[in-house]
Amino acid sequence: DTGVSQNPRHKITKRGQNVTFRCDPISEHNRLYWYRQTLGQGPEFLTYFQNEAQLEKSRLLSDRFSAERPKGSFSTLEIQRTEQGDSAMYLCASSFWGPNYGYTFGSGTRLTVV
Amino acid sequence: AQSVTQLGSHVSVSEGALVLLRCNYSSSVPPYLFWYVQYPNQGLQLLLKYTTGATLVKGINGFEAEFKKSETSFHLTKPSAHMSDAAEYFCAVSEAGGSNYKLTFGKGTLLTVNP
Repeated sequence: DTGVSQNPRHKITKRGQNVTFRCDPISEHNRLYWYRQTLGQGPEFLTYFQNEAQLEKSRLLSDRFSAERPKGSFSTLEIQRTEQGDSAMYLCASSFWGPNYGYTFGSGTRLTVV
Repeated sequence: AQSVTQLGSHVSVSEGALVLLRCNYSSSVPPYLFWYVQYPNQGLQLLLKYTTGATLVKGINGFEAEFKKSETSFHLTKPSAHMSDAAEYFCAVSEAGGSNYKLTFGKGTLLTVNP
């Protein structure tokens, strides 16, 4: 197992365009989380999945954001009509259910909106 | 609501010196506590965690942390800093008794190690 994989690593897009990021978690993990990290800040929770079910969304996740995890495997995060304020590092993490398991994070997708 | 305060956004130590990174939390219920390390342009790596049991927790790379409920603290220490320890460190809290296990992170402390 090669850990959590995120693609692309970097994305530069023009304001108003749509972007989609992909996360491939560790295959045995049933929990998948998305976080956003801006410069000088810690990661902020966006949403999480238990298998294919999206169980919670942060109010940070506006209507322009949507996440899916079809069949409980990989996940995608789509941002529609990007804004400059969306520029950030988007981090995906996976884990087993339960508090005794820390997350395994991917290397992130850095989004720059110009 | 939970929150995490990391005192000192930047800590600088000499190689071989003690590393002390401070973390205080606020939680209405007993928390689970975590320290993560982030190297430039990388994701976060789990250093150590406290969930239940012994309050002194040992992690990877020689780091350890002690959960002090009375002080609502979970400070990270390492007896002797190495150049490879230079990175950003994040303290995080998760609410015990919940089921989402989502993490609330502090703003991070950048550790610089001088030769």
